[in-house]
This record gives sequence, C-alpha cells and structure tokens, in this order.
Amino acid sequence: GAVVSQHPSRVICKSGTSVKIECRSLDFQATTMFWYRQFPKQSLMLMATSNEGSKATYEQGVEKDKFLINHASLTLSTLTVTSAHPEDSSFYICSAITDLNTEAFFGQGTRLTVV
Amino acid sequence: QKEVEQNSGPLSVPEGAIASLNCTYSDRGSQSFFWYRQYSGKSPELIMSIYSNGDKEDGRFTAQLNKASQYVSLLIRDSQPSDSATYLCAASTSGTYKYIFGTGTRLKVLA
Repeated sequence: GAVVSQHPSRVICKSGTSVKIECRSLDFQATTMFWYRQFPKQSLMLMATSNEGSKATYEQGVEKDKFLINHASLTLSTLTVTSAHPEDSSFYICSAITDLNTEAFFGQGTRLTVV
Repeated sequence: QKEVEQNSGPLSVPEGAIASLNCTYSDRGSQSFFWYRQYSGKSPELIMSIYSNGDKEDGRFTAQLNKASQYVSLLIRDSQPSDSATYLCAASTSGTYKYIFGTGTRLKVLA
C-alpha cells in the first residue's frame, strides 16, 4: 500500500505553546488529506479535510483558528495546534487518498502531550 | 447524524478459531466500507475494503456487505494471537471522501 509518513511521532509541549505536525505522502500524490484526533479508548474523530492549494474544511466543533492546517503541496499537509492546552493532549493521525473512493492510508500518528 | 456502530468487546476467541466482527451503519448513502486494524498506541492499518454486496476474501480475511440490512462484517479465519487488536469499521459516502469510523471492537485471540 501507499506510504504516509507523519512526524513527529511523539511530542511534549508546554501549555500555551504551538506544535506543528507534518504529514507526507511518500510515494504518491495525495489529492486530499485528513486530520483525525483519537482520545483513549475512543474512535477516530475527523477534524478537517485538507485539499492542496485550498482552505481546509473543518468539522463542526473544531476551531479553525486553533488547529491551523496548511496543505502546501500534493505530498505535504501540516497541522499546527496553537496555544496548546492539556485538553488538547491526544493522538493525532493524518490520512491521505489519491482518488475518489479509494482507500485511505494513515500516517503513524502523533502522540501530543501538553503539560 | 451519520453513525457507524460496533460492539466494543472484548471479543475473545481461541487460537485457530474464526473471529466474527460486525458493524452497522445508518447512512444509506454510504458506498464504500473499510476494515482497519489498530494496535494499541499505533495508527490504523487497512485490512479490507468492500464496495459491493456479498463477500470479498483476502487470505484469512473475508469481508461481507449487505446494503439492504446496512451491515458489514469481517471474518478472520485461523485466528492468531497476533490478530489481537482493535478492529475499526469505516464507511464513506460516494463523492465525499469522508470516513465515518465506528468505535472499534477489541479482539483477543487466546493462545
């Protein structure tokens, strides 16, 4: 399957600081990338859909000014958690697809801990 | 609200047995269905995708889809302890790219 690389895999930051997470499709061009958040023992919740060269579409309840998404190229999307708080601590996962109705491939995930 | 429902488990099966995982979805417009396996602390990995009614087999895995009943299942034959994980069912509607995930079923294969 296609490879999606996410970096960093684990990050600890202080409350009030910002953290950037990168998601790269290594061997294909991703028309669309998705950002999910997963709290312990819960399922993946879609945060936003990111298309190259256009503004991200955020799901209801997700603050677009807090979770900044930049999809600068067909192989790279970034999620920046701004002014992080302890309640933002979670597992953040990106996924990417190439075409309509194709399978989504997931990055390795980023464990964010805000202290 | 579009939902995908799964029994959270745990589902315990002995090694070598067949594990049966079930999933129902509420949106009749869903066209694509996926099963992902997720180990603790790791990202989901795709096991199977299914788009048409009936069965689809891949090695030890068989996905079954019944759109009339809005039901998807995954059978794992000859279950191994390494199959112990959480299995996530996901559905997407044609043209939306969005996946709606179930909460996952935790499978334990007992050696």
